[in-house]
Amino acid sequence: IAGITQAPTSQILAAGRRMTLRCTQDMRHNAMYWYRQDLGLGLRLIHYSNTAGTTGKGEVPDGYSVSRANTDDFPLTLASAVPSQTSVYFCASSASGLDAGELFFGEGSRLTVL
Amino acid sequence: GQNIDQPTEMTATEGAIVQINCTYQTSGFNGLFWYQQHAGEAPTFLSYNVLDGLEEKGRFSSFLSRSKGYSYLLLKELQMKDSASYLCAVMDSNYQLIWGAGTKLIIKP
Repeated sequence: IAGITQAPTSQILAAGRRMTLRCTQDMRHNAMYWYRQDLGLGLRLIHYSNTAGTTGKGEVPDGYSVSRANTDDFPLTLASAVPSQTSVYFCASSASGLDAGELFFGEGSRLTVL
Repeated sequence: GQNIDQPTEMTATEGAIVQINCTYQTSGFNGLFWYQQHAGEAPTFLSYNVLDGLEEKGRFSSFLSRSKGYSYLLLKELQMKDSASYLCAVMDSNYQLIWGAGTKLIIKP
């Protein structure tokens, strides 16, 4: 069982380029999340989806977009990357209800924007 | 605003006991969670408290006092592999997790 798979694991790209980080889960979880993690700041929620077909904005959504066409996939797109988006990005999923706080994380995508 | 506070870094000795504190101020409360994150890896779930008191799970225990907005994670019989960051998170009234910045635990032989 793979759990959550993220791709790419690492990427360097030029400012202004478009980039999509992929996330796929095989646990049939309803909820999915995208976080960024920066030194000293902890995990910050970018976007989330409580179920397929719905998405919501988190704490730091500007410059990012997501879609949730089905239960398994939750890609994160940077339309025009900027250096401040250099970070480690984690995709996560959780079941609903009382188990909603037990998140399962992907291995992370380290993104450097030059 | 919502706030989670935990120490930035702690050092302990192999075989000893360490307590990592977490205080919180959030809009509502639907549970407090502890995660472990080894350097360069993803966070993994450790424990969950929704009622006051102590939850024990092997060498790890987590305590919650809702009236004080306070929790701690207790690690016993420390092993070198326990060197990691420990993240405290609170689920608020909107069922969103609010994360602390994490406590880096350094274990010395």
